[in-house]
Amino acid sequence: QVQLVQSGAEVKKPGSSVKVSCKASGGTFSSYAISWVRQAPGQGLEWMGGIIPIFGSANHAQKFQGRVTISADDSTSTAYMELSSLRSEDTAVYFCAREGGPGDAFDIWGQGTMVTVSS
Amino acid sequence: EIVLTQSPGTLSLSPGERATLSCRASQSVSSTYLAWYQQKPGQAPRLLIYGASSRATGIPDRFSGSGSGTDFTLTISRLEPEDFAVYYCQQYGSSLYTFGQGTKLEIK
Repeated sequence: QVQLVQSGAEVKKPGSSVKVSCKASGGTFSSYAISWVRQAPGQGLEWMGGIIPIFGSANHAQKFQGRVTISADDSTSTAYMELSSLRSEDTAVYFCAREGGPGDAFDIWGQGTMVTVSS
Repeated sequence: EIVLTQSPGTLSLSPGERATLSCRASQSVSSTYLAWYQQKPGQAPRLLIYGASSRATGIPDRFSGSGSGTDFTLTISRLEPEDFAVYYCQQYGSSLYTFGQGTKLEIK
């Protein structure tokens, strides 16, 4: 069974960047899309964007235009999400999820990575 | 962008009762791309329902989904203690995903 294991918690200064990784183990990686979803403290889920590793093609929500870069390394079965120009409102748990369910539902999730933006 | 509005925001019920959660879309959504998730504190969300009405692997049959177009419903027939959590609907269209704001199901 595929598992998604994310990198550890990060503390960043406003204006800096963060790069979160999501490594797949136990199954096929490149043929499924990977999405990134974030959740601010006490808030709901927010889709940021996704990538199909086998094609290398990524898309993202308009809100993150110019600030988010989603990539993947098929050789290591790892997806990445980099968010730049960080501000306090970016403090959140960031999840990766596999779009492996029927209808492209998110059937497998990473454990989440807490990113704290604070001066 | 399609906006999903869930109601109620909070639902207070007792174990054994029936729960009905609503998800309304700002424009028509393909049922194929409507999903429901359950999230407990400190955990990642878990897929419950996909294609508006199909249960994901391992999901008990007390969970059911229905609806089409702009109105979708998640029903939990008889609440178990472990069902008290936050529930989100999600849609996929035009290469974009959106989530509803969530319904918190709490013990009365």
